[in-house]
Amino acid sequence: DGGITQSPKYLFRKEGQNVTLSCEQNLNHDAMYWYRQDPGQGLRLIYYSQIVNDFQKGDIAEGYSVSREKKESFPLTVTSAQKNPTAFYLCASTDRGRGAFFGQGTRLTVV
Amino acid sequence: EDKVVQSPLSLVVHEGDTVTLNCSYEVTNFRSLLWYKQEKKAPTFLFMLTSSGIEKKSGRLSSILDKKELFSILNITATQTGDSAVYLCAVTFGDNFNKFYFGSGTKLNVKP
Repeated sequence: DGGITQSPKYLFRKEGQNVTLSCEQNLNHDAMYWYRQDPGQGLRLIYYSQIVNDFQKGDIAEGYSVSREKKESFPLTVTSAQKNPTAFYLCASTDRGRGAFFGQGTRLTVV
Repeated sequence: EDKVVQSPLSLVVHEGDTVTLNCSYEVTNFRSLLWYKQEKKAPTFLFMLTSSGIEKKSGRLSSILDKKELFSILNITATQTGDSAVYLCAVTFGDNFNKFYFGSGTKLNVKP
């Protein structure tokens, strides 16, 4: 079955550490997105990528980095520069403006 | 500045009530508007709207888009406690469908 897989489901990070969240899709979608969601809030766009080896910043890119070396994969690194990283992170992919498919999310907590 | 605005931010109703959720947008090169329901984790797809004035229905839910006035509504009739969720509106836009923005969501609480 096609879909998007995010891992891990839960992640704990110590202050000052970088962590990488995985997002893999086998839907052959061109565009992939990373969103951050805080309690009671909507989804805010961190980064998006339309094609391999190309990505653009969203509204809240500071403290995050991404790569798109393969069409199937769009990992997000939360760097130590992100001062408030505790949140729920969602990865999505779309195919030419059709409905997005979402992963199940990663809940990141700073300890 | 591109934006998607939803209202109200939260809503409390009783079972059997009808609710209307609003989504307005200001984007360049609009492509489509989508509605999602988010209960605990990943949002689940409800509707995608691309043409004005054509209502989409699924059971007790329906939605319509007005591309002239730049808004969409999501109606839920005969609400049930299982409808309690955050309802998200998203807009795809840009020259190559490359932007996909969400509104802040409407939190719906349906009381028995």
